[in-house]
Amino acid sequence: GAGVSQTPSNKVTEKGKYVELRCDPISGHTALYWYRQSLGQGPEFLIYFQGTGAADDSGLPNDRFFAVRPEGSVSTLKIQRTERGDSAVYLCASSPSGITDTQYFGPGTRLTVL
Amino acid sequence: GQNIDQPTEMTATEGAIVQINCTYQTSGFNGLFWYQQHAGEAPTFLSYNVLDGLEEKGRFSSFLSRSKGYSYLLLKELQMKDSASYLCAVSSSGYALNFGKGTSLLVTP
Repeated sequence: GAGVSQTPSNKVTEKGKYVELRCDPISGHTALYWYRQSLGQGPEFLIYFQGTGAADDSGLPNDRFFAVRPEGSVSTLKIQRTERGDSAVYLCASSPSGITDTQYFGPGTRLTVL
Repeated sequence: GQNIDQPTEMTATEGAIVQINCTYQTSGFNGLFWYQQHAGEAPTFLSYNVLDGLEEKGRFSSFLSRSKGYSYLLLKELQMKDSASYLCAVSSSGYALNFGKGTSLLVTP
């Protein structure tokens, strides 16, 4: 079956602009996660959704970052007033139910803020 | 806080065996995962340990000692395609994964 997909694969933007990154999880997976990976680092947790609700958003670095999952499937990560330090690969993962499930990752969106 | 340590780089020869170690200090423990990540690609799941002992899956095995906060990933009969980054991740809360920085493995002919 289809895996996790993310669009766009690459996004280049200018400092101060707004961006949206999209994630399509594996069909039927109720849990969805966003991570951020900088060069030479492991993924860093941002936010976890169980269904439509954000169960834990403690990893979001500041209030410029926001994510939604209105119908419990597709999720969008939104970044306002982008900064050069936001440049990273943004990874999305999904799992069947959440608790200690194996997480399946998408290919990521490489965000570059000039 | 969460602290997960693994070597930055390792080199091994095709056909050999390599062991990648991971030590962790976390505020909770709900299991340890190993992922493989080729450059520019998504992490792919390799193994999961929640009880002490060895889990074997083909050429890959993973070991866990909860009392020592220690795990290792063992790769046998190395192939060139095994050159990748190997990520150790601990589930503290039951959902969010805390990752180490990854070990970059280079397999040489």
